[in-house]
Amino acid sequence: AQKVTQAQTEISVVEKEDVTLDCVYETRDTTYYLFWYKQPPSGELVFLIRRNSFDEQNEISGRYSWNFQKSTSSFNFTITASQVVDSAVYFCALSGGTSGTYKYIFGTGTRLKVLA
Amino acid sequence: EPEVTQTPSHQVTQMGQEVILRCVPISNHLYFYWYRQILGQKVEFLVSFYNNEISEKSEIFDDQFSVERPDGSNFTLKIRSTKLEDSAMYFCASSGTGTISNQPQHFGDGTRLSIL
Repeated sequence: AQKVTQAQTEISVVEKEDVTLDCVYETRDTTYYLFWYKQPPSGELVFLIRRNSFDEQNEISGRYSWNFQKSTSSFNFTITASQVVDSAVYFCALSGGTSGTYKYIFGTGTRLKVLA
Repeated sequence: EPEVTQTPSHQVTQMGQEVILRCVPISNHLYFYWYRQILGQKVEFLVSFYNNEISEKSEIFDDQFSVERPDGSNFTLKIRSTKLEDSAMYFCASSGTGTISNQPQHFGDGTRLSIL
């Protein structure tokens, strides 16, 4: 069965600190996709990144970076120099690439509070 | 940028009543989904829809639920006889163009359903 674990329920940091959100996944698929979404207080889900299982390159987008490691089944998300506007719930999600199973399996989310 | 739109943003309904949640997916997308998020909890998959039929559904999606694509643009979720535990945020999502079916899912802003 597929599963996503976000062990950090809530993290509080002071503005300008770096913060890493952890995501560990389980799947038997050899082809799969991993995602991060941001849910601000307004409630919508904002797509941040997609990564497929064959691409282990880390990615950086501005203050955001992602570290994908198949060996540890992890897809961690780092925010550098955090800002108050980064305060949100962040969800990691997994989607399988076989049998037409494209539904997302979400983790329980990590609530990030960035304090001014 | 094209968006998934959902209406209404908030629906209040008496227990036992039928409710229809509406979604307009991105116009050239082929895969459609409904998810729900009970307050403070993770986002859970309900159903996926492709080629005018359900492709997958979760255990949550019982006989009280149905989906329909009544025309070329709308995608609806109907709950026949609502229960208190149906109170949640319901997200519609769409993805995929052509044969590339595992594109990121684009989510609407959600409909908050409150059952009294």
